[in-house]
Amino acid sequence: EVQLVESGGGLVQPGGSLRLSCAASGFTISSYWMTWVRQPPGKGLEWVANIKEDGSDKNYVDSVKGRFTISRDNVENSLSLQLKSLRAEDTAVYYCARKLPVSGTPMDYWGQGTLVTVSS
Amino acid sequence: QSVLTQPPSVSAAPGQKVTISCSGSSSNIGSVYVSWYQHLPGTAPKLLIYEDNKRPSGIPDRFSGSKSGTSATLGITGLQTGDEADYYCGTWDTSLRAGVFGGGTKLTVL
Repeated sequence: EVQLVESGGGLVQPGGSLRLSCAASGFTISSYWMTWVRQPPGKGLEWVANIKEDGSDKNYVDSVKGRFTISRDNVENSLSLQLKSLRAEDTAVYYCARKLPVSGTPMDYWGQGTLVTVSS
Repeated sequence: QSVLTQPPSVSAAPGQKVTISCSGSSSNIGSVYVSWYQHLPGTAPKLLIYEDNKRPSGIPDRFSGSKSGTSATLGITGLQTGDEADYYCGTWDTSLRAGVFGGGTKLTVL
């Protein structure tokens, strides 16, 4: 059974840092693009970043460029998102997701999410 | 403000049909396949449609997708109370070099 389990969320002060992790099981992440998506409280889904199968290509939404870093460990079968210089508007549930190996950006498996709260 | 535009809400009676629109531009919907997701608060989003009109295994044929130019549409027939959820369209934007979602549409089954 395919599973994605996020961890690492919590309360952090503005300007602080946090590292989110996503443990995958039931499949080998080395065969898939992986993605982070977030949902701020009361708002819609927002695509955050993705990373190619071998880590050679990474893309970010403009609002997190230079502050967030996506990475993967294909040996450990895990995905990470390093969050720095956090702002109140980064408060959200962060989901990791697997992209289907087809055209476009369809994500067929998602984790349950981890909540990041940026507040003093 | 989302790159893709969806109506904030739609509603219909049980058993009826509803459509949800998603409008974009030539740099996203006009040139890249569209996906649709169902999301219940507190749960993981579920992929309903990919490559404009294909359903993953396990998604009933009550759900359908279509696309014309820079707009896409999700159709749901035989509405059930269990279909009440938020629905999102998503794709890639070739200019932004980033994924994009619509703002989401809340479906109410009256």
